[in-house]
Amino acid sequence: DIQMTQSPSSLSASVGDRVTITCRASQSISSYLNWYQQKPGKAPKLLIYATSGLQGGVPSRFSGSGSGTDFTLTVSGLQPEDFATYYCHQSYSSPPTFGQGTKVEIK
Amino acid sequence: EVQLVESGGDLVQPGRSLRLSCAASGFTFDNYAMHWVRQAPGKGLEWVSGISWNSAYLDYADSVKGRFTISRDNANNSLYLQMNSLRAEDTALYYCAKDVGTTVTNGGLFDSWGQGTLVTVSS
Repeated sequence: DIQMTQSPSSLSASVGDRVTITCRASQSISSYLNWYQQKPGKAPKLLIYATSGLQGGVPSRFSGSGSGTDFTLTVSGLQPEDFATYYCHQSYSSPPTFGQGTKVEIK
Repeated sequence: EVQLVESGGDLVQPGRSLRLSCAASGFTFDNYAMHWVRQAPGKGLEWVSGISWNSAYLDYADSVKGRFTISRDNANNSLYLQMNSLRAEDTALYYCAKDVGTTVTNGGLFDSWGQGTLVTVSS
């Protein structure tokens, strides 16, 4: 199975900050990397697919980049509604696997 | 609007069985693969199982293979997960998730999720 490792596990940030979360795959996954946002008590929501594709309705302050084994999710100008847990997910091969999550908290 | 509504979660004893259901609406159900993804309390996401649009291809996580069975009824827009020989480590919120494609031969891409149904396995 492909292991996905996110860093950091948590971070504190202020409204307006630029935040970057990293995801590393245990082997190359080309560009088959997706990001989800999960708020407490809610289901995950697809934010970004195929490394950098913005899912419909997702604000443009969210962006993704990377290829191969190293990927990043960037939030440019953190908003109050962005405080949540973010998960990366590889869709390169089965079984699909997720990172352990990165919790973005208010500083 | 896509809607996925899970049901069937309950408190069950180890070794017992449970069947989860997911009622889908707002999209052409038989055009898409579907999945179950679970989340243990306070933990991350774990993919459990997936099924292609026509049920021809089924896939399972090693942790549930041989114990869980995924199925679907396209006539009734429903997805199911039959869970047998339940263990304490199966305790989780189980989400039904829609794929963007028709197959489950790759790692899936989950563009819509239900709100989940809670399964607790305890004596």
